[in-house]
Amino acid sequence: GAGVSQTPSNKVTEKGKYVELRCDPISGHTALYWYRQSLGQGPEFLIYFQGTGAADDSGLPNDRFFAVRPEGSVSTLKIQRTERGDSAVYLCASSPQGFYNEQFFGPGTRLTVL
Amino acid sequence: RKEVEQDPGPFNVPEGATVAFNCTYSNSASQSFFWYRQDCRKEPKLLMSVYSSGNEDGRFTAQLNRASQYISLLIRDSKLSDSATYLCVVTGGATNKLIFGTGTLLAVQP
Repeated sequence: GAGVSQTPSNKVTEKGKYVELRCDPISGHTALYWYRQSLGQGPEFLIYFQGTGAADDSGLPNDRFFAVRPEGSVSTLKIQRTERGDSAVYLCASSPQGFYNEQFFGPGTRLTVL
Repeated sequence: RKEVEQDPGPFNVPEGATVAFNCTYSNSASQSFFWYRQDCRKEPKLLMSVYSSGNEDGRFTAQLNRASQYISLLIRDSKLSDSATYLCVVTGGATNKLIFGTGTLLAVQP
């Protein structure tokens, strides 16, 4: 079956611009996670959705970052006033439920802020 | 101090070698433990879960020591295809978010 998909695969933007990154989880998965991976580091947790609600947004670095999942399926990560330090691979993962289930990762969106 | 600490490597080993990776974690309340594998410019994929009793999957053996907050992965008879970054992962908090180490790069040489 289809795995987690993310679009775009690559995004190049200029400092100060707004970007949206999209994640399509595996059908039927209620839990959705966003992570950010900088070069040479492991992925870092950003936000977790259970259904439509953000159950844990403690990893969002500041108020420039926001994510939504209005219908409990597709999620969009939104970054306002991008900075060069936002350059990273943004990974989305989904699992059947939130607790103790394997998380399946998408291929990521590589964001470059010039 | 990072929540999950790993030796970043790289570990360069010949085919057929046995290699061991270690990691430590700081939160004694962590409930679940994993090793993920990440190929270059790809997403992480679950390699295996780690249990206190130890678990084995073919050439791979994982071990957890809760008292020492220490996790290990042993790879026997290394193959070229084992070349990748191995990420030590623990869960944190009530929402099962994954907390990753920086990863250990393994390069198996012919």
